[in-house]
Amino acid sequence: AQSVTQPDIHITVSEGASLELRCNYSYGATPYLFWYVQSPGQGLQLLLKYFSGDTLVQGIKGFEAEFKRSQSSFNLRKPSVHWSDAAEYFCAVGGTGTASKLTFGTGTRLQVTL
Amino acid sequence: EAGVAQSPRYKIIEKRQSVAFWCNPISGHATLYWYQQILGQGPKLLIQFQNNGVVDDSQLPKDRFSAERLKGVDSTLKIQPAKLEDSAVYLCASSFGELFFGEGSRLTVL
Repeated sequence: AQSVTQPDIHITVSEGASLELRCNYSYGATPYLFWYVQSPGQGLQLLLKYFSGDTLVQGIKGFEAEFKRSQSSFNLRKPSVHWSDAAEYFCAVGGTGTASKLTFGTGTRLQVTL
Repeated sequence: EAGVAQSPRYKIIEKRQSVAFWCNPISGHATLYWYQQILGQGPKLLIQFQNNGVVDDSQLPKDRFSAERLKGVDSTLKIQPAKLEDSAVYLCASSFGELFFGEGSRLTVL
């Protein structure tokens, strides 16, 4: 069965500092991987996705993620965090051949201090 | 383009009462999903529709939850009777390759 682990429940960074959110997945074949962001009271917004090809993917709002098959990881990074990035971040893995039926991690809540 | 619409946004009921949530997907999206997001957890898939047929409802508690998608467009998710542990945000999503989520319906069961 596919699964996602986000080991950090809560992270606090200073505005302007770099950010890395960890994600480890379990899946039997090549996974489809996603990062979503959720602001309070809002739905989920797709930040970026990996299907195949270049293992470093660029997303919206200056985020990027790197797929590392050997480590079963798909960590999210941003070089300089803005106060507006404070939100909940979810990593998700999808089944073969489709971007649907996503399995989500438990999320990492990001707090940004000024 | 209009996004996924859900209503109501908030609902408070007492246990053993019933509740229904409505979802209108993005026009042209054949696939529709209902996810349950309990506080502190990631979303969990309840049911997936392809047009008006059910593709996956393996995690839907069928003794109390039901969902339908008549005419392959709008969908309704019903809970009857509700339990305390049903308190959650119910997210609807539609896809044409990529998932788009609505803002969710927050249910509180007292």
